[in-house]
Amino acid sequence: DAGVIQSPRHEVTEMGQEVTLRCKPISGHDYLFWYRQTMMRGLELLIYFNNNVPIDDSGMPEDRFSAKMPNASFSTLKIQPSEPRDSAVYFCASSLALGRLHEQFFGPGTRLTVL
Amino acid sequence: AQSVTQPDIHITVSEGASLELRCNYSYGATPYLFWYVQSPGQGLQLLLKYFSGDTLVQGIKGFEAEFKRSQSSFNLRKPSVHWSDAAEYFCAVEAAGNKLTFGGGTRVLVKP
Repeated sequence: DAGVIQSPRHEVTEMGQEVTLRCKPISGHDYLFWYRQTMMRGLELLIYFNNNVPIDDSGMPEDRFSAKMPNASFSTLKIQPSEPRDSAVYFCASSLALGRLHEQFFGPGTRLTVL
Repeated sequence: AQSVTQPDIHITVSEGASLELRCNYSYGATPYLFWYVQSPGQGLQLLLKYFSGDTLVQGIKGFEAEFKRSQSSFNLRKPSVHWSDAAEYFCAVEAAGNKLTFGGGTRVLVKP
């Protein structure tokens, strides 16, 4: 398996534009996580899915952020409209199940810059 | 609420020297603790984890960590550092709802 795949790897956009980040989890993994990494706040969980259903979105910063998982092999994180403070590295991770016995495998991340 | 503190933001170590990264946690229940490594331009990779039992845990790439409940610490060590160990290291605790809470990270630079 190729691991967790994220695209694009880098995204530069202007304030007010819509941004869509994409993730393909490892095949067979039932859980998918979206994280954001910033200098100020470190690595924080935004939302996670189980079997394509959002389970906990308490980390989503505001209504400008939305995430979907239309099928087991694809998820998107959308920011509309984007703002400079959204600049960060966004990671997607997947795992077989939830909990300490099941490692989360991380993708390489998408570095987002909002000008 | 749970929290993880990594007191050292940067550490510089010479190749071949030993390395110790500090991690302190705050959590009311029995902690489940993890160390991850993030190489430049890469995602996080699990190095090791502690759930229970032996307080000295062995991981990949020659790393080990020791859980000390009395000090609320879970420090990561490696006896002899290689240039390829230059990376950022994150300590994490599994909190309520099986979610991971990460520390701020420690960036390790390796001098030749």
